[in-house]
Amino acid sequence: QVQLKETGPDLVQLTQTLSITCTVSGFSLTTYNVHWVRQPPGKGLEWMGAMWNGGGTDYNSAFKSRLSISRDTSKSQVFLKMNSLQTDDTAKYFCATYTVAGGHFDYWGQGVMVTVSS
Amino acid sequence: DIQMTQSPSSLPASLGERVTISCRASQGISNNLNWYQQKPDGTIKPLIYYTSNLQSGVPSRFSGSGSGTDYSLTISSLEPEDFAMYYCQQDASFPPTFGGGTKLELK
Repeated sequence: QVQLKETGPDLVQLTQTLSITCTVSGFSLTTYNVHWVRQPPGKGLEWMGAMWNGGGTDYNSAFKSRLSISRDTSKSQVFLKMNSLQTDDTAKYFCATYTVAGGHFDYWGQGVMVTVSS
Repeated sequence: DIQMTQSPSSLPASLGERVTISCRASQGISNNLNWYQQKPDGTIKPLIYYTSNLQSGVPSRFSGSGSGTDYSLTISSLEPEDFAMYYCQQDASFPPTFGGGTKLELK
């Protein structure tokens, strides 16, 4: 069955770089699209970016050039990297599959909570 | 970006009650509207896609409707497991954006 699991640090220092890995199972990254969504504590959901099944990427302009998404198809992993972290980057980070046919996020990971500390 | 506004932000309700959550887009989104449920442990589950299509495994007490800029999620008879956060999301225009959420809580 389709599963996604995010792994990453609990704590990152101010201005440093965040690296999170989404490890998937039950499908191939060459057939499913994987996106990243984050949720600050007590707040709503914010779309960050996409790794498309063909290998292309898209990013929310809100993150300007701070965000990078890549993948290793042989390891079934998608990577999120974001630099110049600020305290308002404290959030739970989710990876999710996106189906073009329905235009929605149909499988979600449990998320990883990251705190940016000064 | 298209702004999504949900109402109410909090909805106290009783078991067995029928409830409706609204979602308004800042411009027309041509039915490209999805609904998600987030449980207190943080897990997110898709409920409805493209306005009214039930995700596989979602109980039939959930339904969605709407058009243009105004959409709604209805739960016909609340069960204990339905008390959670609900989010709408538009997929009509890049980037996809979410509503601020509605907390469905036990009255």
